[in-house]
Amino acid sequence: SYQMNQPPSVSVSPGQTATITCSGDKLGDKYVHWYHQKPGQSPVLVIYQDTKRPSGIPERFSGSNSGNTATLTISGTQAMDEADYYCQAWDSSKVVFGGGTKLTVL
Amino acid sequence: EVRLLESGGGLVQPGGSLRLSCAASGFTFSSSAMSWVRQAPGKGLEWVSTIRGSGTGTFYADSVKGRFLISRDNSRNTLYLQTNSPRVDDTAVYYCAKESETSGGFDSWGQGTLVTVSS
Repeated sequence: SYQMNQPPSVSVSPGQTATITCSGDKLGDKYVHWYHQKPGQSPVLVIYQDTKRPSGIPERFSGSNSGNTATLTISGTQAMDEADYYCQAWDSSKVVFGGGTKLTVL
Repeated sequence: EVRLLESGGGLVQPGGSLRLSCAASGFTFSSSAMSWVRQAPGKGLEWVSTIRGSGTGTFYADSVKGRFLISRDNSRNTLYLQTNSPRVDDTAVYYCAKESETSGGFDSWGQGTLVTVSS
């Protein structure tokens, strides 16, 4: 079955740029979506189709996808961005989630 | 405003059964594929199942195939998940999620309902 790998944790200082990666075989051939989830809350879509932001998502969130790696970038990270982040794609009629990355802003 | 409200969670014994429901509003339900995604305590997101808007196409994770059944009633704007022969490792919060008509991502999620499988 298809797998997507994320680093378990990423740390960033306030105001700096956070980069979260998601890797999988030929992932660049698929659309990747990103979600964040704060403790006790439901997931929220922050990037869809590799690079697009849903309405209401701040411009500091951006995405890319090429080769075997998709990347979520948060520019000027704020304390409110501290959350778990998950990548997601479809493969062979199944939805696949990455294992998740805990973003700590300190 | 899109709203998804899950219900039906609770305590179930291994080998028993439980039906989860998700009441939808604020969008054209029959036009949207719907999914169930679960999250075990302290763990990540795990996709369970998806059903197309018409109800004719269904997809399952290998971990639940043959045990769980996804269905929908477009006249009632309601999504269902019949969980048969649950196992202890099916214990999780089960979320109902709406798939965007254009993007393939899940653009709306419910608040989740907790299913605990224990004897």
